[in-house]
Amino acid sequence: GAVVSQHPSWVICKSGTSVKIECRSLDFQATTMFWYRQFPKQSLMLMATSNEGSKATYEQGVEKDKFLINHASLTLSTLTVTSAHPEDSSFYICSARVGPGGNQPQHFGDGTRLSIL
Amino acid sequence: AQSVTQLDSHVSVSEGTPVLLRCNYSSSYSPSLFWYVQHPNKGLQLLLKYTSAATLVKGINGFEAEFKKSETSFHLTKPSAHMSDAAEYFCVVNVGNTGGFKTIFGAGTRLFVKA
Repeated sequence: GAVVSQHPSWVICKSGTSVKIECRSLDFQATTMFWYRQFPKQSLMLMATSNEGSKATYEQGVEKDKFLINHASLTLSTLTVTSAHPEDSSFYICSARVGPGGNQPQHFGDGTRLSIL
Repeated sequence: AQSVTQLDSHVSVSEGTPVLLRCNYSSSYSPSLFWYVQHPNKGLQLLLKYTSAATLVKGINGFEAEFKKSETSFHLTKPSAHMSDAAEYFCVVNVGNTGGFKTIFGAGTRLFVKA
């Protein structure tokens, strides 16, 4: 149980393109979803937290207009990287949590490798 | 201040020997603690979790961890390493109370397993 599907796995696109990444909880309803960015050989960096039906909460230093997050349902959140540039190239990972409690683990997708040429 | 410290950036063991990955935390509240494993180009997979029940927690793939409040530690162990255990491991803490909580990730420990 608690499977999170992230799509696509790999994206290669030209500079200036917008890229959308989907994150779906397949067998549970996720009240909260998270988006992370991971640089090589580093830990995860939280970008934003999204709750279904409300605006995402972005971490300091993350551009809201660059990284658009939509959490339209309890099973789907999307991250759109707008007008992507080479410095946006990274590994992006989403996660979902079943409930609001601190004892609930996050369940992670398999990540999306984004390469901007 | 709340924090998580993974004491080793990398650990190298021989196949069939025990594994010990160390994690210490700092929290003003009773924490919930988790260990995750990440294989290359993959997301994080939950190995086990501690949420104030039994202090010795058994997880998947033969891993276990013991919560020691007096030492503020939550070390991950496995009696016998397998080649497939080679990966990055993250210790993660949820800290807070009913007013809200925060998830803190350790820096990660890379486990190498030699044949």
